Amino acid sequence: DIVMTQSPFSLAVSEGEMVTINCKSSQSLLSSGNQKNYLAWYQQKPGQSPKLLIYYASTRQSGVPDRFIGSGSGTDFTLTISDVQAEDLADYYCLQHYSYPYTFGAGTKLELK
Amino acid sequence: QVQLQQSGAELVKPGSSVKISCKASGYTFTSYDMHWIKQQPGNGLEWIGWIYPGNGNTKYNQKFNGKATLTADKSSSTAYMQLSSLTSEDSAVYFCARPWTTRGWFAYWGQGTLVTVSS
Repeated sequence: DIVMTQSPFSLAVSEGEMVTINCKSSQSLLSSGNQKNYLAWYQQKPGQSPKLLIYYASTRQSGVPDRFIGSGSGTDFTLTISDVQAEDLADYYCLQHYSYPYTFGAGTKLELK
Repeated sequence: QVQLQQSGAELVKPGSSVKISCKASGYTFTSYDMHWIKQQPGNGLEWIGWIYPGNGNTKYNQKFNGKATLTADKSSSTAYMQLSSLTSEDSAVYFCARPWTTRGWFAYWGQGTLVTVSS
């Protein structure tokens, strides 16, 4: 199984700050067929289902604010949120859908400082 | 628009089984896998498996072999997951989710079904 190591576990921020969340996979998620990384990022608020933010590691889902930026390739990936807003306080997860079983990172809780 | 409507919360006894549903609309049900994901209270997300309603093919996370059984009813565009021999470890919210494409990211999610196992 591919292990997704996500860090940090939690992050306390003030509005307007920039934050970085990391996800490291135990195997490369880069497909040799299409040169795409099979890595997605999700945001989850209490009592809600996860919301897709980023797919193919760096492509922003339609409607997602451009302060959410995904980067990385192979085994190391980053979600950067610039100019954090109060509405961004949530849990964030990475997902690898390169091979079965699909696996998620353990999550990062973004809290207000 | 794509919608996945899940059945309501369940309170079940240890040792029993439960079957939860996910009714799909807004797309051709038989053309996409339906995945199921588990989230225990305060915990992260675990992938359970998928079913392809077009032919009934399934794939499971080995961890859930014998625990979860996925089925689908093409006539009602509804996917089901049955959980058996329930213990407190099965208490969780269960989501159905549809990928963007085969082997794609989960683009659409149901609202989740809370299963509580308690005597």
